[in-house]
Amino acid sequence: DAGVIQSPRHEVTEMGQEVTLRCKPISGHNSLFWYRQTMMRGLELLIYFNNNVPIDDSGMPEDRFSAKMPNASFSTLKIQPSEPRDSAVYFCASSRIFDRGAYEQYFGPGTRLTVT
Amino acid sequence: DQQVKQNSPSLSVQEGRISILNCDYTNSMFDYFLWYKKYPAEGPTFLISISSIKDKNEDGRFTVFLNKSAKHLSLHIVPSQPGDSAVYFCAATAGNMLTFGGGTRLMVKP
Repeated sequence: DAGVIQSPRHEVTEMGQEVTLRCKPISGHNSLFWYRQTMMRGLELLIYFNNNVPIDDSGMPEDRFSAKMPNASFSTLKIQPSEPRDSAVYFCASSRIFDRGAYEQYFGPGTRLTVT
Repeated sequence: DQQVKQNSPSLSVQEGRISILNCDYTNSMFDYFLWYKKYPAEGPTFLISISSIKDKNEDGRFTVFLNKSAKHLSLHIVPSQPGDSAVYFCAATAGNMLTFGGGTRLMVKP
């Protein structure tokens, strides 16, 4: 298995532009998570999906952020409009849900976003 | 409110010696704990985990200890190797969502 795939690996954009980050989870996994890593806040969960349905988006910082999972093999995280404070590394992770919850999550390589 | 804390941002250890990374948590509902390792420019990778019904789990050079009464867990690496140099995150969960600590950068010197 190729693992979790994220694209692009690096994104540099100007303030005000729309940014779309993409994720392909591991085949057979039914939970998908979007995280953001910054020096100040560490690794924080933004949103997660179970069986393509958003379950908890309380970590999404504001309305400029949105996430979708149209099918089991693809998810997007969109920022519109982007701001310099959105600069961070964004990780996607996937997991298989068991009866007691999803435990071991497998992370993608991340997308390093720089907003100038 | 940080529910999972790693109070040491960095740790330096000599090759062959033991590395001990510590993690404290506040939420008594957490029932499963994990350690992840992260190299630069890569995503975190799962290392080892422990259920709250256990106090120790061992996998090769890696052992995780859980002290529920103290709400404390630790990761022991013996013997430490230069390739273990990375950032280590502890995480805790009571269901689907993981709450991560801030990470500890481990440097193993040859």
